[in-house]
Amino acid sequence: QTVVTQEPSLTVSPGGTVTLTCASSTGAVTSDYYPNWFQQKPGQAPRSLIYSTNYRHYWTPARFSGSLLGGKAALTLSGVQPEDEAEFYCLLYYGGAQNWVFGGGTRLTVL
Amino acid sequence: QVQLQESGPGLVKPSETLSLTCTVSGGSINTYYWTWIRQPPGKGLEWIGYIHYSGSANYNPSLKSRVTISVDTSKNQFSLKLTSVTAADTAVYYCARANAYWEYDYWGQGALVTVPS
Repeated sequence: QTVVTQEPSLTVSPGGTVTLTCASSTGAVTSDYYPNWFQQKPGQAPRSLIYSTNYRHYWTPARFSGSLLGGKAALTLSGVQPEDEAEFYCLLYYGGAQNWVFGGGTRLTVL
Repeated sequence: QVQLQESGPGLVKPSETLSLTCTVSGGSINTYYWTWIRQPPGKGLEWIGYIHYSGSANYNPSLKSRVTISVDTSKNQFSLKLTSVTAADTAVYYCARANAYWEYDYWGQGALVTVPS
Protein backbone atom coordinates (compact mmCIF):
# COMPACT_ATOMS: atom_id res chain seq x y z
CA GLN A 1 0.00 0.00 0.00
CA THR A 2 1.47 3.30 -1.12
CA VAL A 3 1.79 5.94 1.60
CA VAL A 4 2.25 9.66 1.02
CA THR A 5 3.67 11.47 4.05
CA GLN A 6 3.35 15.11 5.05
CA GLU A 7 4.33 16.94 8.22
CA PRO A 8 1.33 16.65 10.60
CA SER A 9 1.63 20.24 11.73
CA LEU A 10 3.75 23.35 11.26
CA THR A 11 3.72 26.79 12.84
CA VAL A 12 4.89 30.00 11.17
CA SER A 13 4.89 33.64 12.16
CA PRO A 14 3.04 36.21 10.05
CA GLY A 15 5.34 37.45 7.30
CA GLY A 16 7.56 34.42 7.62
CA THR A 17 8.39 31.61 5.20
CA VAL A 18 7.51 27.95 5.59
CA THR A 19 7.99 24.86 3.44
CA LEU A 20 5.63 21.89 3.50
CA THR A 21 6.84 18.61 2.02
CA CYS A 22 5.25 15.53 0.48
CA ALA A 23 7.11 12.23 0.41
CA SER A 24 6.28 8.92 -1.27
CA SER A 25 6.89 5.49 0.26
CA THR A 26 7.93 4.28 -3.20
CA GLY A 27 10.94 6.58 -3.43
CA ALA A 28 11.80 10.01 -4.78
CA VAL A 29 8.96 12.19 -6.02
CA THR A 30 9.53 13.50 -9.53
CA SER A 31 7.52 15.62 -11.93
CA ASP A 32 6.04 12.36 -13.26
CA TYR A 33 3.98 12.25 -10.06
CA TYR A 34 2.26 15.52 -11.12
CA PRO A 35 2.22 16.85 -7.54
CA ASN A 36 -0.87 18.83 -6.65
CA TRP A 37 -1.34 20.96 -3.55
CA PHE A 38 -4.67 21.89 -1.97
CA GLN A 39 -5.69 24.22 0.84
CA GLN A 40 -8.70 23.43 3.00
CA LYS A 41 -10.20 25.73 5.61
CA PRO A 42 -12.71 24.47 8.20
CA GLY A 43 -16.12 23.74 6.75
CA GLN A 44 -14.99 24.36 3.18
CA ALA A 45 -14.15 22.22 0.19
CA PRO A 46 -10.46 21.95 -0.70
CA ARG A 47 -9.16 24.57 -3.09
CA SER A 48 -6.44 23.79 -5.58
CA LEU A 49 -3.27 25.89 -5.24
CA ILE A 50 -0.61 24.16 -7.34
CA TYR A 51 -0.68 21.48 -10.04
CA SER A 52 1.98 19.57 -11.99
CA THR A 53 4.66 20.40 -9.40
CA ASN A 54 4.85 24.18 -9.78
CA TYR A 55 1.99 25.64 -11.83
CA ARG A 56 -0.28 28.11 -10.10
CA HIS A 57 -3.92 28.68 -10.94
CA TYR A 58 -4.94 32.21 -11.76
CA TRP A 59 -6.45 32.45 -8.31
CA THR A 60 -3.35 31.27 -6.44
CA PRO A 61 -1.45 34.09 -4.70
CA ALA A 62 2.15 34.46 -5.85
CA ARG A 63 3.38 33.80 -2.30
CA PHE A 64 2.56 30.10 -2.86
CA SER A 65 5.12 28.18 -4.90
CA GLY A 66 5.63 24.51 -5.68
CA SER A 67 8.87 22.64 -6.30
CA LEU A 68 10.77 19.39 -5.90
CA LEU A 69 13.12 19.38 -2.94
CA GLY A 70 15.35 16.54 -1.77
CA GLY A 71 13.25 13.82 -3.38
CA LYS A 72 9.97 15.29 -2.17
CA ALA A 73 7.35 17.62 -3.54
CA ALA A 74 7.35 20.90 -1.67
CA LEU A 75 5.01 23.84 -1.16
CA THR A 76 6.64 27.06 0.01
CA LEU A 77 4.69 29.98 1.45
CA SER A 78 6.60 33.25 1.52
CA GLY A 79 5.31 36.26 3.40
CA VAL A 80 2.69 34.21 5.21
CA GLN A 81 -0.62 35.92 5.92
CA PRO A 82 -2.99 35.12 8.82
CA GLU A 83 -5.57 33.91 6.30
CA ASP A 84 -3.16 31.20 5.15
CA GLU A 85 -3.89 29.22 8.32
CA ALA A 86 -5.45 25.99 7.04
CA GLU A 87 -4.93 22.30 6.31
CA PHE A 88 -2.80 21.59 3.25
CA TYR A 89 -2.89 18.36 1.27
CA CYS A 90 -0.64 17.04 -1.46
CA LEU A 91 -1.78 14.58 -4.12
CA LEU A 92 0.51 12.33 -6.16
CA TYR A 93 -0.07 10.29 -9.32
CA TYR A 94 1.04 6.66 -9.51
CA GLY A 95 1.04 5.99 -13.21
CA GLY A 96 1.45 2.22 -13.21
CA ALA A 97 -1.63 1.72 -11.09
CA GLN A 98 -3.31 4.67 -12.78
CA ASN A 99 -4.42 6.14 -9.51
CA TRP A 100 -3.81 9.04 -7.17
CA VAL A 101 -2.93 9.13 -3.46
CA PHE A 102 -3.39 12.00 -1.02
CA GLY A 103 -0.97 12.82 1.75
CA GLY A 104 -2.29 12.88 5.28
CA GLY A 105 -2.32 16.67 5.39
CA THR A 106 -0.35 19.38 7.20
CA ARG A 107 -2.11 21.70 9.63
CA LEU A 108 -0.48 25.10 9.27
CA THR A 109 -0.84 27.50 12.17
CA VAL A 110 0.01 31.18 11.72
CA LEU A 111 1.02 32.51 15.12
CA GLN B 1 -17.78 29.81 -14.38
CA VAL B 2 -17.80 26.04 -14.01
CA GLN B 3 -19.76 24.74 -11.04
CA LEU B 4 -20.14 21.22 -9.69
CA GLN B 5 -22.95 20.15 -7.38
CA GLU B 6 -23.27 16.83 -5.58
CA SER B 7 -26.69 15.36 -4.87
CA GLY B 8 -28.04 12.18 -3.33
CA PRO B 9 -29.26 10.63 -0.09
CA GLY B 10 -27.58 11.83 3.09
CA LEU B 11 -28.27 8.59 4.93
CA VAL B 12 -27.58 5.08 3.67
CA LYS B 13 -28.17 1.88 5.61
CA PRO B 14 -25.32 -0.57 6.20
CA SER B 15 -24.85 -3.14 3.40
CA GLU B 16 -26.79 -0.97 0.94
CA THR B 17 -25.48 1.04 -2.03
CA LEU B 18 -24.43 4.66 -1.79
CA SER B 19 -25.39 6.62 -4.90
CA LEU B 20 -24.36 10.20 -5.65
CA THR B 21 -24.61 12.37 -8.73
CA CYS B 22 -22.53 15.38 -9.67
CA THR B 23 -24.11 17.92 -11.99
CA VAL B 24 -21.74 20.10 -14.01
CA SER B 25 -22.89 23.56 -15.03
CA GLY B 26 -21.18 26.42 -16.84
CA GLY B 27 -19.18 24.07 -19.02
CA SER B 28 -19.31 20.81 -20.95
CA ILE B 29 -18.57 17.45 -19.42
CA ASN B 30 -16.82 16.51 -22.65
CA THR B 31 -13.07 16.41 -22.22
CA TYR B 32 -11.67 16.26 -18.65
CA TYR B 33 -11.53 13.59 -15.99
CA TRP B 34 -14.43 13.61 -13.55
CA THR B 35 -13.39 12.58 -10.08
CA TRP B 36 -14.82 11.54 -6.74
CA ILE B 37 -12.93 12.22 -3.50
CA ARG B 38 -14.11 11.67 0.06
CA GLN B 39 -13.23 12.87 3.54
CA PRO B 40 -14.37 11.09 6.72
CA PRO B 41 -15.30 13.50 9.52
CA GLY B 42 -12.17 15.00 11.05
CA LYS B 43 -9.85 13.04 8.74
CA GLY B 44 -7.94 13.50 5.51
CA LEU B 45 -8.86 13.23 1.85
CA GLU B 46 -9.14 9.95 -0.06
CA TRP B 47 -9.15 9.71 -3.87
CA ILE B 48 -11.93 7.34 -4.93
CA GLY B 49 -11.61 7.34 -8.70
CA TYR B 50 -12.32 9.14 -11.94
CA ILE B 51 -14.02 8.66 -15.25
CA HIS B 52 -13.00 10.20 -18.54
CA TYR B 53 -15.84 11.67 -20.58
CA SER B 54 -15.19 8.85 -23.09
CA GLY B 55 -16.23 6.36 -20.40
CA SER B 56 -12.89 4.91 -19.31
CA ALA B 57 -12.49 4.81 -15.52
CA ASN B 58 -9.83 4.23 -12.88
CA TYR B 59 -10.41 3.46 -9.23
CA ASN B 60 -8.59 3.42 -5.92
CA PRO B 61 -7.41 -0.20 -5.56
CA SER B 62 -8.68 -0.31 -1.97
CA LEU B 63 -12.23 0.48 -3.14
CA LYS B 64 -12.18 -0.99 -6.64
CA SER B 65 -14.32 -4.03 -5.84
CA ARG B 66 -17.16 -1.81 -4.58
CA VAL B 67 -16.99 1.31 -6.75
CA THR B 68 -18.51 2.24 -10.08
CA ILE B 69 -18.27 5.70 -11.63
CA SER B 70 -20.33 6.47 -14.70
CA VAL B 71 -20.95 9.49 -16.91
CA ASP B 72 -24.05 10.78 -18.69
CA THR B 73 -22.89 13.34 -21.22
CA SER B 74 -26.47 14.14 -22.30
CA LYS B 75 -27.26 15.38 -18.80
CA ASN B 76 -23.79 16.81 -18.04
CA GLN B 77 -23.63 14.55 -15.00
CA PHE B 78 -21.46 11.83 -13.59
CA SER B 79 -22.27 9.43 -10.78
CA LEU B 80 -20.76 7.35 -8.01
CA LYS B 81 -22.02 4.02 -6.73
CA LEU B 82 -20.42 2.38 -3.70
CA THR B 83 -21.82 -1.00 -2.71
CA SER B 84 -21.96 -2.84 0.63
CA VAL B 85 -21.37 0.29 2.69
CA THR B 86 -20.39 0.30 6.35
CA ALA B 87 -19.94 3.03 8.93
CA ALA B 88 -16.39 3.44 7.64
CA ASP B 89 -17.85 4.89 4.43
CA THR B 90 -19.37 7.82 6.33
CA ALA B 91 -17.76 10.90 4.79
CA VAL B 92 -18.18 14.11 2.89
CA TYR B 93 -18.08 13.14 -0.77
CA TYR B 94 -16.68 15.68 -3.22
CA CYS B 95 -16.83 15.68 -6.99
CA ALA B 96 -14.05 17.45 -8.87
CA ARG B 97 -12.70 18.05 -12.35
CA ALA B 98 -9.20 17.28 -13.58
CA ASN B 99 -7.80 18.21 -16.98
CA ALA B 100 -5.09 16.68 -19.14
CA TYR B 101 -2.45 18.59 -17.17
CA TRP B 102 -3.75 16.89 -14.04
CA GLU B 103 -5.04 20.16 -12.71
CA TYR B 104 -7.82 19.48 -10.21
CA ASP B 105 -9.32 22.88 -10.70
CA TYR B 106 -13.02 22.81 -9.83
CA TRP B 107 -14.67 21.09 -6.88
CA GLY B 108 -18.20 20.70 -5.62
CA GLN B 109 -19.09 21.90 -2.14
CA GLY B 110 -19.36 18.34 -0.86
CA ALA B 111 -22.18 16.08 0.30
CA LEU B 112 -22.21 14.39 3.69
CA VAL B 113 -23.27 10.76 3.55
CA THR B 114 -23.81 8.97 6.83
CA VAL B 115 -23.89 5.21 7.28
CA PRO B 116 -25.04 4.41 10.81
CA SER B 117 -23.21 1.73 12.73
